[in-house]
Amino acid sequence: QSVLTQPPSASGTPGQRVTISCSGSTSNIGSNTVNWYQQLPGTAPKLLIYSNNQRPSGVPDRFSGSKSGTSASLAISGLQSEDEADYYCASWDDSLNAYVFGTGTKVTVL
Amino acid sequence: QLQLQESGPGLVKPSETLSLTCTVSGGSISSSGYYWGWIRQPPGKGLEWIGSMYSSGSTYYNPSLKSRVTISVDMSKNQFSLKLSSVTAADTAVYYCVREKDPGDWFDPWGQGALVAVSS
Repeated sequence: QSVLTQPPSASGTPGQRVTISCSGSTSNIGSNTVNWYQQLPGTAPKLLIYSNNQRPSGVPDRFSGSKSGTSASLAISGLQSEDEADYYCASWDDSLNAYVFGTGTKVTVL
Repeated sequence: QLQLQESGPGLVKPSETLSLTCTVSGGSISSSGYYWGWIRQPPGKGLEWIGSMYSSGSTYYNPSLKSRVTISVDMSKNQFSLKLSSVTAADTAVYYCVREKDPGDWFDPWGQGALVAVSS
């Protein structure tokens, strides 16, 4: 049972902007940074955003992250077919003393 | 380019110990200043952090699994390992080894994953 809640699905047509929310609490997102991972079908997850809004080298600037209070968001602008994947938010939880992942959101490109 | 590769049995019997090894190439576990960890994903489900360790041997585990988990390092082979005892069907998952920037920070890169099924 995850302590970070995401919508199970999101979708858009090519070129559209899609936003995924991640809702937590004061013991996780409210106190620590948020990271986002992308998992393409049949592959291992890959770091997409770290420290709330930083992109690793090689990640397109179509992907952006933000955080406010106990929630975070991932935005994908100019949606492309290759963005079809599962997306997970994650953060450290001070109460659980554990790194926790969100429930995951499946993005579909229509 | 740093690469991680999991290896180990794909089938474990209930009540036995699951053992996996992660081989690191393209960099040294001992000189990197990073942590090294394990994450798992049951089929069709989400991600669960298992635990992490530093090259010095210090470890920290998910409290929900702590009583059954041991992560260790073999610097001579540039490998680190996971042992999970008293497994049940609920431990069936794809197990990923990862590099961690600092405790509680991000994981990058990830290994390709190893599916371990628990069944008699």
